[in-house]
Amino acid sequence: QKEVEQNSGPLSVPEGAIASLNCTYSDRGSQSFFWYRQYSGKSPELIMFIYSNGDKEDGRFTAQLNKASQYVSLLIRDSQPSDSATYLCAVTGYGGSQGNLIFGKGTKLSVKP
Amino acid sequence: EPEVTQTPSHQVTQMGQEVILRCVPISNHLYFYWYRQILGQKVEFLVSFYNNEISEKSEIFDDQFSVERPDGSNFTLKIRSTKLEDSAMYFCASLQGGETQYFGPGTRLLVL
Repeated sequence: QKEVEQNSGPLSVPEGAIASLNCTYSDRGSQSFFWYRQYSGKSPELIMFIYSNGDKEDGRFTAQLNKASQYVSLLIRDSQPSDSATYLCAVTGYGGSQGNLIFGKGTKLSVKP
Repeated sequence: EPEVTQTPSHQVTQMGQEVILRCVPISNHLYFYWYRQILGQKVEFLVSFYNNEISEKSEIFDDQFSVERPDGSNFTLKIRSTKLEDSAMYFCASLQGGETQYFGPGTRLLVL
């Protein structure tokens, strides 16, 4: 059974701080890694994806992938109250990015003004 | 910006009834998916659809479920005889190819 594990939180950070979200996955064959944000009662919204080991930056967000450790992380710099949401880590294993997404339970982030 | 749409936004039904959830994927996308999220739990994959046939399905997607693309735009999920445990948020997603899945706003299904 392929699993994606995340700390459920809540993770509380002050406004302007760096929020660090972590994720581990069980299937070494996983090829593509995604971070989605989900506000309560809403659908997942893509933040960014990463395929290769190392860091990938997009604005205030940085995704980090370490396939040897089966570990993905998301850093949010200059956190804002509007970043308060649940962050979902997801991976695909079949056929690259056309495969189904396997989600973690999500980490709830709270950014305090 | 193109987006995935879903109807209805909310559906209440009696146990044992059939429901059809509808999705309109982004027009040039080729891969289509259904996921569900039971309240307070993680998003779970149900089924993927490509080239007018199911490409993959999960253990959840049993004989009570079916999918169809009846025309060039709609993608439907049918639950033949709903159970209490089918109560969840159902998300449709679509993918052009080689990139990321975009999710619709979801249909909240409540089975009484």
